[in-house]
Amino acid sequence: KQEVTQIPAALSVPEGENLVLNCSFTDSAIYNLQWFRQDPGKGLTSLLLIQSSQREQTSGRLNASLDKSSGRSTLYIAASQPGDSATYLCAVYFGNEKLTFGTGTRLTIIP
Amino acid sequence: DAGVIQSPRHEVTEMGQEVTLRCKPISGHNSLFWYRQTMMRGLELLIYFNNNVPIDDSGMPEDRFSAKMPNASFSTLKIQPSEPRDSAVYFCASSFAEGQPQHFGDGTRLSIL
Repeated sequence: KQEVTQIPAALSVPEGENLVLNCSFTDSAIYNLQWFRQDPGKGLTSLLLIQSSQREQTSGRLNASLDKSSGRSTLYIAASQPGDSATYLCAVYFGNEKLTFGTGTRLTIIP
Repeated sequence: DAGVIQSPRHEVTEMGQEVTLRCKPISGHNSLFWYRQTMMRGLELLIYFNNNVPIDDSGMPEDRFSAKMPNASFSTLKIQPSEPRDSAVYFCASSFAEGQPQHFGDGTRLSIL
């Protein structure tokens, strides 16, 4: 069964610190991996998409990495800000146009 | 672009009633997805369409759920009859093509009393 896991479920970090969110998946035969953020009462906002042939993608203060062999992806957030507080979800395309989502990490940045 | 538009934003109704959720995908996107999000089960894919044709409805929980996409700019998800366990946030998403980023609407928060 193809599963996506995100640990921890919640994380609190002081403002200004760098942080890493983790995502693991059970099947290395992925098509691509996408990171989203979800604000309370809102839909999901796509942050970064990494193709299976890539090792990382960067957008501003965000950097996502992909290691297919170990079944892991990380989302690195530099110089965290209170506006980064949200739930971050990892989702994997296992090649059939279906995204399989992790349960998310709820991030709180403490001013 | 206006993004994916869902209506209504909130729906409260009594069990047994018919519920219809609506979605307008981003213009030019060929794939449309319906998801359900609950605390217990997270985000679950219910059904997706490609070029208005249902491709995979294996996530639809039971026959009370049905979805249609009569044209490229409109889709509905219908629950009839509704039950309290259907209470959740229902999201619609669209993408330009397979493997491309999915763009989500703000969801419909459904409460069945």
